[in-house]
Amino acid sequence: EVQLLESGGGLVQPGGSLRLSCGASGLTFSNYIMSWVRQAPGKGLEWVSGISGNGGQTYYAASMQGRFTISRDNSKNTLYLQMHSLRAEDTAVYYCAKGNYYYGPGSYDWWGQGTLVTVSS
Amino acid sequence: EIVMTQSPATLSVSPGEGATLSCRASQSVHSNLAWYQQKPGQAPRLLIYDASTRATGIPARFSGSGSGTDFTLTISSLQSEDFAVYYCQQCNNWPLTFGGGTKVEIK
Repeated sequence: EVQLLESGGGLVQPGGSLRLSCGASGLTFSNYIMSWVRQAPGKGLEWVSGISGNGGQTYYAASMQGRFTISRDNSKNTLYLQMHSLRAEDTAVYYCAKGNYYYGPGSYDWWGQGTLVTVSS
Repeated sequence: EIVMTQSPATLSVSPGEGATLSCRASQSVHSNLAWYQQKPGQAPRLLIYDASTRATGIPARFSGSGSGTDFTLTISSLQSEDFAVYYCQQCNNWPLTFGGGTKVEIK
């Protein structure tokens, strides 16, 4: 069975940085596009960023472009999200999700349990 | 970016009754649409992809239909475990976008 386990969340001050990780098991990691999706407290789902199976193509939501960087290490079966210049509105649970395909937009059939990022002074 | 609009925001249904949830895209997404279910404190779960294909392990009481800009998720007879929030997501273009969700609550 596929398992995705996020880590790296926590409390950070406005303007600060944080790196999230997502360890994957039970799949051939490099075969699938991966994304980060976030959910602010009491709000809906918001897609953040995606990366192709080989890491060669990356995609970002407009409000995250330039502040967030997605990457992956297929040798470690791990997905990352480096976040800079964090704002209060970035406070959310961040989920990593496995895509149905190697690249391209698509649906996501496995999700981690999420890691909470709180941006506050 | 493609804007996804779900209606209604809240749907009150009695157990055993059916429910119909709507999702509209601001431009055509063809059949590239997914539906997810989310319960409090849990991650989303994929129900339907490609507008009408049930994901692995999803009961037959869940069905999806539509193409282009208008889509529907139908739950034929609600069970207690179906009371949750449902989101649609367009899978046609980057950036991916989700609808605002429909909460299905017990009447």
